[in-house]
Amino acid sequence: RKEVEQDPGPFNVPEGATVAFNCTYSNSASQSFFWYRQDCRKEPKLLMSVYSSGNEDGRFTAQLNRASQYISLLIRDSKLSDSATYLCVETGFQKLVFGTGTRLLVSP
Amino acid sequence: DAGVTQSPTHLIKTRGQHVTLRCSPISGHKSVSWYQQVLGQGPQFIFQYYEKEERGRGNFPDRFSARQFPNYSSELNVNALLLGDSALYLCASSLEGSYQPQHFGDGTRLSIL
Repeated sequence: RKEVEQDPGPFNVPEGATVAFNCTYSNSASQSFFWYRQDCRKEPKLLMSVYSSGNEDGRFTAQLNRASQYISLLIRDSKLSDSATYLCVETGFQKLVFGTGTRLLVSP
Repeated sequence: DAGVTQSPTHLIKTRGQHVTLRCSPISGHKSVSWYQQVLGQGPQFIFQYYEKEERGRGNFPDRFSARQFPNYSSELNVNALLLGDSALYLCASSLEGSYQPQHFGDGTRLSIL
């Protein structure tokens, strides 16, 4: 079983739609979680941290469910510029462990 | 302030050759990590260095090695290159490296012919 699993997508949504991604992780001892965004042929960029209490940043909301070992990312009012791959990440003591990413395509 | 910088941006090598990739972390960051990303996959952890010492190593063969210098910059070396080493090599830095988000450079795109 992979340490971090994501649906690769693609998720095709129209502008203005709300879209949600889930990610599951296998290590119950994982301490910290993040969502990164990666544009085609570019480096991953930190989108937001994920906390059990939830974390909201504008149109983006991230949530951690430790009991079920999953992480979610909700994007409201999707913009064309949100088209990218979203990487779910858990961090251990020494490294980041990435999922394969979920591709989002927002169309006009 | 400058972000993480990597050089070169692109590199073409042939099988059997070796390569050295370079990375300068964000000013004040003491930890540098290296990742390999092949098309369609998330980045895979190769090494982490902190204060010039190796703190972690991923599941990569001994052909991969790295080091960190007193100014916290780092090099990744790969010997006896194979076709499968073709990938985007990403360097990331963080203040300390443990349980912290990491900030990535633009990467070095390595192609093996």
